[in-house]
Amino acid sequence: NAGVMQNPRHLVRRRGQEARLRCSPMKGHSHVYWYRQLPEEGLKFMVYLQKENIIDESGMPKERFSAEFPKEGPSILRIQQVVRGDSAAYFCASSPSGKETQYFGPGTRLLVL
Amino acid sequence: AQSVAQPEDQVNVAEGNPLTVKCTYSVSGNPYLFWYVQYPNRGLQFLLKYITGDNLVKGSYGFEAEFNKSQTSFHLKKPSALVSDSALYFCAVRDMEYGNKLVFGAGTILRVKS
Repeated sequence: NAGVMQNPRHLVRRRGQEARLRCSPMKGHSHVYWYRQLPEEGLKFMVYLQKENIIDESGMPKERFSAEFPKEGPSILRIQQVVRGDSAAYFCASSPSGKETQYFGPGTRLLVL
Repeated sequence: AQSVAQPEDQVNVAEGNPLTVKCTYSVSGNPYLFWYVQYPNRGLQFLLKYITGDNLVKGSYGFEAEFNKSQTSFHLKKPSALVSDSALYFCAVRDMEYGNKLVFGAGTILRVKS
């Protein structure tokens, strides 16, 4: 059983560009969580999605960030007009239900120049 | 609000010696607690969890954790450390009040020296 897949593993963007991060959950998992690991700030929750629904986006910045988990295909975290402060590792986790253990992907390391 | 604290930024231990990585929690209601490990430039790997039941939880790679309700602690332990255990360890609590997200501690770097 393949684990959580994330791509790309590394992403370089210039200020003002868009970053699109993808997450494919483990087989059988319909719950996806996104977390961000900023230098010196630790791991912080961003958003929790089920298929076609955002359940909790309390950790998501109000502007420029959006997330989706369509009926078909991976979950997407989109960052518009990136700034240097967006440089971080973004991790996706999945679980079969909201109450089960979350399993993490390898992360996408975003560098904004 | 749910929170966890890892009071040590770094723990150093000699190979073969027992190790302890500390975690304390603050929750309303029953705690759902987790330990994850992160190797350099990798994702988080699940080690173990406490939901209910026995206070001593056994997990992957020989790790175990002791849940102590009176001290609100969930310390990670291993009887004999390996150099390959050197990594960043995170304690986390599930936020049961809303959304089931994980709230992480700041992390503890474990260094095992041969």
